[in-house]
Amino acid sequence: DGGITQSPKYLFRKEGQNVTLSCEQNLNHDAMYWYRQDPGQGLRLIYYSQIVNDFQKGDIAEGYSVSREKKESFPLTVTSAQKNPTAFYLCASSMNKGRETQYFGPGTRLLVL
Amino acid sequence: GENVEQHPSTLSVQEGDSAVIKCTYSDSASNYFPWYKQELGKRPQLIIDIRSNVGEKKDQRIAVTLNKTAKHFSLHITETQPEDSAVYFCAANEKLTFGTGTRLTIIP
Repeated sequence: DGGITQSPKYLFRKEGQNVTLSCEQNLNHDAMYWYRQDPGQGLRLIYYSQIVNDFQKGDIAEGYSVSREKKESFPLTVTSAQKNPTAFYLCASSMNKGRETQYFGPGTRLLVL
Repeated sequence: GENVEQHPSTLSVQEGDSAVIKCTYSDSASNYFPWYKQELGKRPQLIIDIRSNVGEKKDQRIAVTLNKTAKHFSLHITETQPEDSAVYFCAANEKLTFGTGTRLTIIP
């Protein structure tokens, strides 16, 4: 899991602002994922991508957008439509979307000003 | 879709005793069940997983059991140590539906 990085570690969002969280991996993994973690609610899937230029909505995709232009990168944009964005965001990757282990990045904590 | 329930939400055990965390799932087609450990402020890390073609898997002090008929699986930690204190998450299915977590505290 040392091969998957997220930045920044902390991010502050102002009212009405879009912010983008970075996720990069050098593990040559095909699949990448974004999760949101709130206290007492475990991890919830926002979006996932099995291959470049393709991605699918997870359970809580509203107010978020992603892109997958490169295999190594899967940025997440938290849009102004997401009314409660304060959370810990975790990116993960796996060899492919199957019964494969997911490796997590260190996370980004998003706070609203 | 898949629904995973995890119990208990908090668990305290004396150092050296065993800890058991249980999860149930709803989708009978699920065939992959990992367990993750997350220390405070850090990323979740896989500690053990089990696939549907086996009923039990062990790795030193950690074991996972799976009952596909009853649709539940459990994490067993024996001879607990202070460094086992963390939040543990179960998950099910290829798309990883997570349980809500168990905060395990080992009392020295």
